[in-house]
Amino acid sequence: GAGVSQSPRYKVTKRGQDVALRCDPISGHVSLYWYRQALGQGPEFLTYFNYEAQQDKSGLPNDRFSAERPEGSISTLTIQRTEQRDSAMYRCASSRGLAGGQGDTQYFGPGTRLTVL
Amino acid sequence: DQQVKQNSPSLSVQEGRISILNCDYTNSMFDYFLWYKKYPAEGPTFLISISSIKDKNEDGRFTVFLNKSAKHLSLHIVPSQPGDSAVYFCAASARAGGYNKLIFGAGTRLAVHP
Repeated sequence: GAGVSQSPRYKVTKRGQDVALRCDPISGHVSLYWYRQALGQGPEFLTYFNYEAQQDKSGLPNDRFSAERPEGSISTLTIQRTEQRDSAMYRCASSRGLAGGQGDTQYFGPGTRLTVL
Repeated sequence: DQQVKQNSPSLSVQEGRISILNCDYTNSMFDYFLWYKKYPAEGPTFLISISSIKDKNEDGRFTVFLNKSAKHLSLHIVPSQPGDSAVYFCAASARAGGYNKLIFGAGTRLAVHP
């Protein structure tokens, strides 16, 4: 079956522009996560959705970052007024969302490489 | 403040030998630990995990060991194969609220050469 897909794969934008990054999770996956990965580092948690509910946004760096998942499937991460420090790989992951189960494997998408000039 | 540390950025191993990748953590609330493998231009792929109630979990050539008192885990790959060449990320979570907010290390690049 299809895995997690993300679009665009690459995005180059100018400082001050808004960008929207899309994540299409595995069909039927309840949980959706966004991570950001800087070069030479591991993924860093940004936010978590259970169905359409954003239950944890503790990793969003500031109020220029927002995310939504209105119908409990596709999610969009939006960065307003982009800055050069926002340049990174943005990764989405989804999982079945087994309540109380540790074996709830997160499947990662290929990521969107964002470059802010 | 890095809660999960992988102190070796790279490791080179001969084919057929054992690869040992190490990971240290600081947060005693972590109760679930995972290893992910990443090839270039792809997302990380889940490899193996271990709960804090265990000290060893084995899956084929891959074994993860957990030493809670030392806050240390390791991944053993034996025998190593050239296809194992990838970046390996250690991750941990404190499963509160019914989901896995993963905290990742910086990764170790493993090169398995003939």
